Amino acid sequence: DIQMTQSPSSLSASVRDRVTITCRSSQSISTYLNWYQQKPGKAPKLLIYAASSLQSGVPSRFSGSGSGTDFTLSISSLQPEDFATYYCQQTYSTPRTFGQGTKVEIK
Amino acid sequence: EVQLVQSGAEVKKPGESLRISCKGSGYSFTNYWISWVRQMPGKGLEWMGNIDLSDSYINYSPSFQGHVTISAAKSISTAYLQWSSLKASDTAMYYCARSDCGGVSCFTDYWGQGTLVTVSS
Repeated sequence: DIQMTQSPSSLSASVRDRVTITCRSSQSISTYLNWYQQKPGKAPKLLIYAASSLQSGVPSRFSGSGSGTDFTLSISSLQPEDFATYYCQQTYSTPRTFGQGTKVEIK
Repeated sequence: EVQLVQSGAEVKKPGESLRISCKGSGYSFTNYWISWVRQMPGKGLEWMGNIDLSDSYINYSPSFQGHVTISAAKSISTAYLQWSSLKASDTAMYYCARSDCGGVSCFTDYWGQGTLVTVSS
């Protein structure tokens, strides 16, 4: 199985801060990497697919980059509604493993 | 509008069987995959497996293979996740989700609302 490791596991930030979350895979996955946002009690929501493509309807302050084994999700100016947990997922091979999640909290 | 509507919450005893459902609407059901994802209380997302509705090909995560069964009834646009013998450790929220896999990408774009399964004696 491909292991996905996110860092940090949690972070505290203020509104309008720039936030960066990193995801590393245990082997190369090309750009088969997606990012999801999950708020408490809600289903996950797709933000970024294929490492850098913004899902329709997602604000442009979200961006993704990377290929191979190292990937990044960035939020250019954190908004109150962005406080949530973020997950990466590889879809290069099955099982389509998720990272352990990064919780973004209010400072 | 694309929707995935899951069956309601369940409370079961260890050893009992269970089947939960996920009904798709607003899109061509057989053109996509349905994935199942587990989320244990206070924990992260775990991919359980998926089914290609075009040919009913199924992938299971090794972590879940042999303990759950994924299936679908294409005529009613419904996917299923079932257990023959539940354990207390199966207590979790279970999500179904539509996956679009083709070319250079594969992603899950629509999710059901989740089905909470509680297994307790």
